[in-house]
Amino acid sequence: QPVLSQPPSSSASPGESARLTCTLPSDIKVGDYNIYWYQQKPGSPPRYLLYYYSDSDNGQGSGVPSRFSASKDASANTGILLISGLQSEDEADYYCMIWPNNVHWVFGGGTKLTVL
Amino acid sequence: QVQLQESGPGLVKPSQTLSLTCTVSGGSISSGNFYWSWIRQPAGKGLEWIGRIYTSGNTDYNPSLKSRLTISEDASKNQFSLKLTSVTAADRAIYYCARESPMPTGTWYLDLWGRGTLVTVSS
Repeated sequence: QPVLSQPPSSSASPGESARLTCTLPSDIKVGDYNIYWYQQKPGSPPRYLLYYYSDSDNGQGSGVPSRFSASKDASANTGILLISGLQSEDEADYYCMIWPNNVHWVFGGGTKLTVL
Repeated sequence: QVQLQESGPGLVKPSQTLSLTCTVSGGSISSGNFYWSWIRQPAGKGLEWIGRIYTSGNTDYNPSLKSRLTISEDASKNQFSLKLTSVTAADRAIYYCARESPMPTGTWYLDLWGRGTLVTVSS
């Protein structure tokens, strides 16, 4: 199954922006897939944040602040989650997810975001 | 609102079968257009999708687990279940049940999750 690569950790200060990445293997193109993003806090299940296919095809989760947005970098074959105006409550693990080739859901390894 | 709750033994012996049930409350698993899924997470690690069952009873399994896996539903109890045979220490994880729903855009997503249940494999 494909492996989605996420940096194990990232950090930023309150009020700043955090840019979390999810790199797809070279044999599948980020432009062909919805990239889903989930947030998980300790002791809780993952929470759906949003998905991104394109600027005209994306979907924010219910109650998810507009501070959370997503994009893609085709040149790097990467999906990006951008969190602006960081707050302490944004400290969590973030997972990307895709459904490649109608096989099954595949998750990235997760990025632990620390708000300094 | 719809809620999911996992239940089952927290301790399973190596080589035996892990059996978990997800009880759905606030809605019927046999109505609507949903998939009902299992996902697991080893302690301190990432998420792994296990498999799912559709309202119609059709199933999809993670190829890496397919030979050991059965997902079924019991509409009369509003539950769906997971059976994983021949478990090893590698199967120790928090097991989540979740609902997969369609979006207005036509895509699907895992929108609703149970709290998860920890399963340990040990003799």
